[in-house]
Amino acid sequence: AQSVSQHNHHVILSEAASLELGCNYSYGGTVNLFWYVQYPGQHLQLLLKYFSGDPLVKGIKGFEAEFIKSKFSFNLRKPSVQWSDTAEYFCAVSIRGYQKVTFGTGTKLQVIP
Amino acid sequence: GAGVSQSPSNKVTEKGKDVELRCDPISGHTALYWYRQSLGQGLEFLIYFQGNSAPDKSGLPSDRFSAERTGGSVSTLTIQRTQQEDSAVYLCASSPSGAGSSYEQYFGPGTRLTVT
Repeated sequence: AQSVSQHNHHVILSEAASLELGCNYSYGGTVNLFWYVQYPGQHLQLLLKYFSGDPLVKGIKGFEAEFIKSKFSFNLRKPSVQWSDTAEYFCAVSIRGYQKVTFGTGTKLQVIP
Repeated sequence: GAGVSQSPSNKVTEKGKDVELRCDPISGHTALYWYRQSLGQGLEFLIYFQGNSAPDKSGLPSDRFSAERTGGSVSTLTIQRTQQEDSAVYLCASSPSGAGSSYEQYFGPGTRLTVT
């Protein structure tokens, strides 16, 4: 069974700082990868996803993630965070061809104005 | 269009009572998921329904938990003889499926369950 690790549980940044949130998964086969975000008081929503093709994926609000197969990683990045990026971020993985999705424990990002 | 809806939004119950949580998925979505979100635990997969196939119940934590999905649409998660450790936010998500589907999940607002 696949598993997902998010090593940063709580990250505090100042506005304009660069962001990188780590995500590692354990599964040797072909996977689909996701980042979801939950803004305060809102539903979980998809930020970006990787299925195939270019391993550098662009998402909404200037976020991007890079799939590095050799490292089993799918780290989320943003060059310059804003206060409105304060939220909890979840990495998720599914095995290609299956819809069951496994989520990481989440990373709470707090951006200080 | 309408998103995933869940009811009730909040439920407080006494230990030992049974509770039912409801999820209305997006119309036409064939896949439906239940998750449990506890502080510091991320999203814990509970159960997954896909069309008319047998559900994947591998995430249900005990036999006190059960779920059904009627007519391929509305789903009910039932917790019998609730315990304090069942206190959490229960999230429902649905997704379209089929060839070319991105399998993106659309989440509901959740039901916050508090067992006293």
